[in-house]
Amino acid sequence: EAGVAQSPRYKIIEKRQSVAFWCNPISGHATLYWYQQILGQGPKLLIQFQNNGVVDDSQLPKDRFSAERLKGVDSTLKIQPAKLEDSAVYLCASSLVTGGTGELFFGEGSRLTVL
Amino acid sequence: AQSVTQPDIHITVSEGASLELRCNYSYGATPYLFWYVQSPGQGLQLLLKYFSGDTLVQGIKGFEAEFKRSQSSFNLRKPSVHWSDAAEYFCAVGAQAGTALIFGKGTTLSVSS
Repeated sequence: EAGVAQSPRYKIIEKRQSVAFWCNPISGHATLYWYQQILGQGPKLLIQFQNNGVVDDSQLPKDRFSAERLKGVDSTLKIQPAKLEDSAVYLCASSLVTGGTGELFFGEGSRLTVL
Repeated sequence: AQSVTQPDIHITVSEGASLELRCNYSYGATPYLFWYVQSPGQGLQLLLKYFSGDTLVQGIKGFEAEFKRSQSSFNLRKPSVHWSDAAEYFCAVGAQAGTALIFGKGTTLSVSS
């Protein structure tokens, strides 16, 4: 079974530039999450989708971050314009909605460095 | 609101010695509890989980954890640590299947020879 796929693995940009990250969840997983992990901290939820609808985006900085999951499968997270404090690893995860044990399956992450 | 506290930022253990990583959670009902491990440059891998039943759960790589409701704890243990166990360990809590997890800040484990 293929895992959660993310790209790019690494990205370096200047502040005020834009960047986009892509995620393809495990087949059949209706729920998709984007987490931000700043160095030395635990992952923090940015946004949760169920199919193509947003469940929770309360911690997404909406003035600069946006995310979409148009067809209920893969998802894109965009940052525009980027700030220095956006330097972090962006983790995508997926899970079953029901019938599972609550486990989230994570991709390897996309590491963003903002200079 | 749910929260997770991992009191130890960094722990060093000798190879072959036992290990216990602490995790305390705050949640009103019976939570879903998880331990994940993260090696440098990698995503998070599930070690073990608890959502009901036996309060002592076994995971991969020889790890186990015990859910203690009275102490709001879910500590991770391993009887004999290997050098390859050096990594970042995260405790997480969730309300139910299909909901987001809240993570602790993590504990870095170093293994000395």
